[in-house]
Amino acid sequence: DIQLTQSPSFLSASVGDRVTITCRASQGISSYLAWYQQKPGKAPKLLIYTASTLQSGVPSRFSGSGSGTEFVLTISSLQPEDSATYYCQQVNSYPLTFGGGTKVEIK
Amino acid sequence: EVQLVESGGGLVQPGGSLRLSCAASGFTCSDHYMDWVRQVPGKGLEWVGRTRNKANSYTTEYAASVKGRFIISRDDSKNSLYLQMNSLKTEDTALYYCARVIYSSGWVAFDIWGQGTMVTVSS
Repeated sequence: DIQLTQSPSFLSASVGDRVTITCRASQGISSYLAWYQQKPGKAPKLLIYTASTLQSGVPSRFSGSGSGTEFVLTISSLQPEDSATYYCQQVNSYPLTFGGGTKVEIK
Repeated sequence: EVQLVESGGGLVQPGGSLRLSCAASGFTCSDHYMDWVRQVPGKGLEWVGRTRNKANSYTTEYAASVKGRFIISRDDSKNSLYLQMNSLKTEDTALYYCARVIYSSGWVAFDIWGQGTMVTVSS
C-alpha cells in the first residue's frame, strides 16, 4: 500500500499568511494526487486534483504542485474561512489512501 | 442540484449486518465510478471501496480491511449505490460517506460527497 505522510499535522497562522502543507508518498504516484478540505461536521470538499488542477469554484489562493513522491498544497493568503483540516489522497493505485491530515488554525 | 444522500446507518451488534444506501440526484450515477469512504469521528479518512461505471461493468475494488465482508452494488433504476456490510466488527464504527469520482485522464478525485451516515457497532 502507498503511504501518504502529511506535514505538519497542525499549523497556526495569521490571516494573510502564506501557508504550505506537504504530502509525501512512499512510492511514486505520478500526478495522481488530490487535496481536500474538511470543516467540522461537514463532508470533505475537493480543492485540487491531478496534483495541480484547481477544482471549479475553489478560490485561486489555493494551489497545488509536485509529482512523483512530493506534493505541496499552498494557500497564498490565508483567510478566516480556511480554518479546516486538509487531506491529500493518492489515486494512483489500489487501495486508495489518504494522508493523516493537517489541521490549520487561524491565529 | 447534484447531490448524494446516504441513509441506513445505525446501531448494530458485532457480527451483524447493515445495508447503507446512497441516492444520487442531478446526474446519472451509472456514468461514474462511485466510492465509499469512512471516517471515525475525530480521525482521518479511510477508503472503503469502489464500483466502476457501467462502461466498465460495475466491477469493484475493496480495502483489505473490508474485503470479503462488504459488498458494493448499484440499482440504476433508482440511481443509487449500496454498501452491504456483513460480519461487522467494532472497528467498523465510523461515519460512512459515498462519493462520486471525476474523470480527467483517469478517475482522479472525489468531487461530490454525501453528508454521511453513522454506523455504530457495539454490543
